[in-house]
Amino acid sequence: DVKVTQSSRYLVKRTGEKVFLECVQDMDHENMFWYRQDPGLGLRLIYFSYDVKMKEKGDIPEGYSVSREKKERFSLILESASTNQTSMYLCASSTGLAVYEQYFGPGTRLTVT
Amino acid sequence: AQKVTQAQTEISVVEKEDVTLDCVYETRDTTYYLFWYKQPPSGELVFLIRRNSFDEQNEISGRYSWNFQKSTSSFNFTITASQVVDSAVYFCALSRLNSGGSNYKLTFGKGTLLTVNP
Repeated sequence: DVKVTQSSRYLVKRTGEKVFLECVQDMDHENMFWYRQDPGLGLRLIYFSYDVKMKEKGDIPEGYSVSREKKERFSLILESASTNQTSMYLCASSTGLAVYEQYFGPGTRLTVT
Repeated sequence: AQKVTQAQTEISVVEKEDVTLDCVYETRDTTYYLFWYKQPPSGELVFLIRRNSFDEQNEISGRYSWNFQKSTSSFNFTITASQVVDSAVYFCALSRLNSGGSNYKLTFGKGTLLTVNP
């Protein structure tokens, strides 16, 4: 079974803090993704990575950066957290980009106060 | 531009009723893939089905069935004899086929919250 784990289920941070969200997958997948999920807006892609050290912007990359130093780990970084980044963050991985299903982690609910 | 519309924000049914979740998509690509995912209250999205644009055969998996109609750009999902465990948010998604690297595009609909009451 594919397993995607995220470092925290719930996180509370203060405005201006640097925040790291970690995601690890154990199926040797090439591709990893970060989404945020907000009520009424569905899932929106922040960044994705199709290889180690390769990254691409998604639909809403502003205010975020990512790091992929190892194949199994994909980190989302909020350089200076703001209240409008309060959201549910979902990590996913897949064998391929277009035609393959994605496997999701349980999500991190981040609150920025 | 790609777009996925799930017009039903919330649906509530009583157990054993049949329910259909609608998904309408827009794309300029001739080759693409459609997906359905389920997000139960635990939060983890689970893949249900993938369909490519050249395969309009309907698919049935137990109580689940999917109706893909290219003519109306729809990929609807029906649950027969719904159960309380079917309560979840369901997402439809669209991916262009010839996407790699920076050309990648996967678009999710906003989801439909299905509540099945006992």
